[in-house]
Amino acid sequence: QVQLVQSGAEVKKPGASVRVSCKASEYPFTGYYLHWVRQAPGQGLEWVGWINPNNGDTTYAQKFQGRVTMTTDTSITTAYLDLHKVTSDDTAVYYCARDSSRRDCDYWGQGTLVTVSS
Amino acid sequence: AIQLTQSPSSLSASVGDRVTITCRASQGLSSPLAWYQQRPGKPPNLLIYHVSSLASGVPSRFSGSGSGTDFTLTISSLQPEDFATYYCQHFNTYPLTFGGGTKVEIK
Repeated sequence: QVQLVQSGAEVKKPGASVRVSCKASEYPFTGYYLHWVRQAPGQGLEWVGWINPNNGDTTYAQKFQGRVTMTTDTSITTAYLDLHKVTSDDTAVYYCARDSSRRDCDYWGQGTLVTVSS
Repeated sequence: AIQLTQSPSSLSASVGDRVTITCRASQGLSSPLAWYQQRPGKPPNLLIYHVSSLASGVPSRFSGSGSGTDFTLTISSLQPEDFATYYCQHFNTYPLTFGGGTKVEIK
C-alpha cells in the first residue's frame, strides 16, 4: 500500500526557516511527481508547488517563489519542503501528495502542522 | 490563474438526500477536473478524476459530470460518513488550483 509519512509538528519564530519531510514507500519513488499543498486553520487548500523526484525539476506557485525550496533524496525516498522567512501567515498544515500522473493527487501524507509564533 | 468557484459554500442535508455541488472555472478547462472529500483533521481523499471517473474504493453513490467551465459532483443518497468538506481541483495551467470548498452538514 502506497504510504507518505510526514515529519512531526513544528513551531517556529517569525523569520525562521522550517523543513517538512515526506517519506514515500511501496511505489517507485522516481516515477511520480510529488505535490506540496497547505491548509491554513479553518481555510481551504492551497498549492505550494511540485517536484519531479526523477530529476529534481520543480515548479513553485508564484506566491512562494524565492521563499520555498523543494528537494528529494532518492536514496531514502524522501521529499523535503523548506520554507524560509516564515510569518504568521504561514501557519498551516502542510501536506505532501503524490501526483497520479493525471495531474490529480491520489495519495496524501497525514499532514504536518507548522505554527509560526513569536 | 484560473479560479474555481464552488457553490454552495455550505449546505445542510439529511441522510438519504441527493446532493449536488457545483464548480465553475473562470475559463474553459482543457485538462481534467478532480474532486476530493476531506473530513476534519484528515487529509483530502480523491473521489473523482477526469471529471467523471471514480477513484479506487469510492462508493458508486458519488458521481461527477461537466465540461468547459461548469462541473458537478453528485452524491445520490447521502450517508452519515459523507458529512465532510468537498473540493474541486484542476491543473490546466500553473498554478494547480482548488475550489474554495463546500461543507456538507447534517440537517
